[in-house]
Amino acid sequence: KQEVTQIPAALSVPEGENLVLNCSFTDSAIYNLQWFRQDPGKGLTSLLLIQSSQREQTSGRLNASLDKSSGRSTLYIAASQPGDSATYLCAVIPSGGSNYKLTFGKGTLLTVNP
Amino acid sequence: GAVVSQHPSRVICKSGTSVKIECRSLDFQATTMFWYRQFPKQSLMLMATSNEGSKATYEQGVEKDKFLINHASLTLSTLTVTSAHPEDSSFYICSATSPQTTDTQYFGPGTRLTVL
Repeated sequence: KQEVTQIPAALSVPEGENLVLNCSFTDSAIYNLQWFRQDPGKGLTSLLLIQSSQREQTSGRLNASLDKSSGRSTLYIAASQPGDSATYLCAVIPSGGSNYKLTFGKGTLLTVNP
Repeated sequence: GAVVSQHPSRVICKSGTSVKIECRSLDFQATTMFWYRQFPKQSLMLMATSNEGSKATYEQGVEKDKFLINHASLTLSTLTVTSAHPEDSSFYICSATSPQTTDTQYFGPGTRLTVL
């Protein structure tokens, strides 16, 4: 059974810092990996999607990397801003499935202090 | 594009009553919809997968008679929590995929259910 772990569970940084969020998964047979953002009491916003054949994806100040063989992904946020404060969730879809079910980690609660 | 809505956004009900939550794909046809539950500070847990016109597939440990799912059209799926109890209080989120993007789930804003 696939398990997704995110470290740290919470992170507090001053504005302007660069930071890294970590995600690990136990089964390397994945179809893709996604990073989401969730604001308190809200739904999910997709940030980046990395296909299993890719090693990284970038969007603005965000960069996500994927090392499938070691079961790890990192989300790098450059020049953090207070508006980046949210919970960041990592999720994987297993390969070989037909329904593309997502398995989520518990998330990292990020607080960026002004 | 690819907007998913949920209604209601929050609901408070008495123990023993049933609550229906709607999930709609606003600008695309959703062949598959997923229902998740999220407890405070926990991950999203998949409850069931529903395909239009067929019975939902429930994850292990989810009571299908308690959480009734109907996906009667390509734009609407409903989750009914029957005989709700305080332990059913949670944040329920749906997502949907389209035939063109089966590996991408578009998430609704969630429904906060509180059972008194």
